[in-house]
Amino acid sequence: LAKTTQPISMDSYEGQEVNITCSHNNIATNDYITWYQQFPSQGPRFIIQGYKTKVTNEVASLFIPADRKSSTLSLPRVSLSDTAVYYCLVGDRQLTFGSGTQLTVLP
Amino acid sequence: EPEVTQTPSHQVTQMGQEVILRCVPISNHLYFYWYRQILGQKVEFLVSFYNNEISEKSEIFDDQFSVERPDGSNFTLKIRSTKLEDSAMYFCASSESWQDYGYTFGSGTRLTVV
Repeated sequence: LAKTTQPISMDSYEGQEVNITCSHNNIATNDYITWYQQFPSQGPRFIIQGYKTKVTNEVASLFIPADRKSSTLSLPRVSLSDTAVYYCLVGDRQLTFGSGTQLTVLP
Repeated sequence: EPEVTQTPSHQVTQMGQEVILRCVPISNHLYFYWYRQILGQKVEFLVSFYNNEISEKSEIFDDQFSVERPDGSNFTLKIRSTKLEDSAMYFCASSESWQDYGYTFGSGTRLTVV
């Protein structure tokens, strides 16, 4: 199981782009990278999933370099409502959630 | 957007009692999961369920716990002889396929054991 490391917390201001990087040095060949968001007292919410290069949906983009040892979740123009914990998970059907990154968006 | 529905949203029970937490997964999903999150701690995997049987379970999911899909829509988690340390948020999730890591989670049941 690939171990992931991500910052404990980040602050940003409304309207800015936020990039959260996750390192996963021992990612396996078949592993996908998945990001979830969680608000207090709510269940995690799937954001985006990718295998390589770049994936974009209506909410975020996921950048994965060629060596796949890291990934970056990019949130464009964040708002106060994006304040949440963001989790990076790799190749894990049981979804082993770590401590995540607490993103705080300031006005 | 399809939702996973959990009931009740809050449950208070006395230590030693049995509780049943209920979930209605998304209708075309085939894989079902239970997770728990103790206040201030990480989300923890409990069990996955497919084709009317347990696929995987964690060390937490011991004989005190059981899951069931009693009909075509509900998925339940039973906790027997509840202990104070069972107090947590319990989340149900479902996914469409084995290759799908984008699980849809419910809003959870807050279980308080007193």
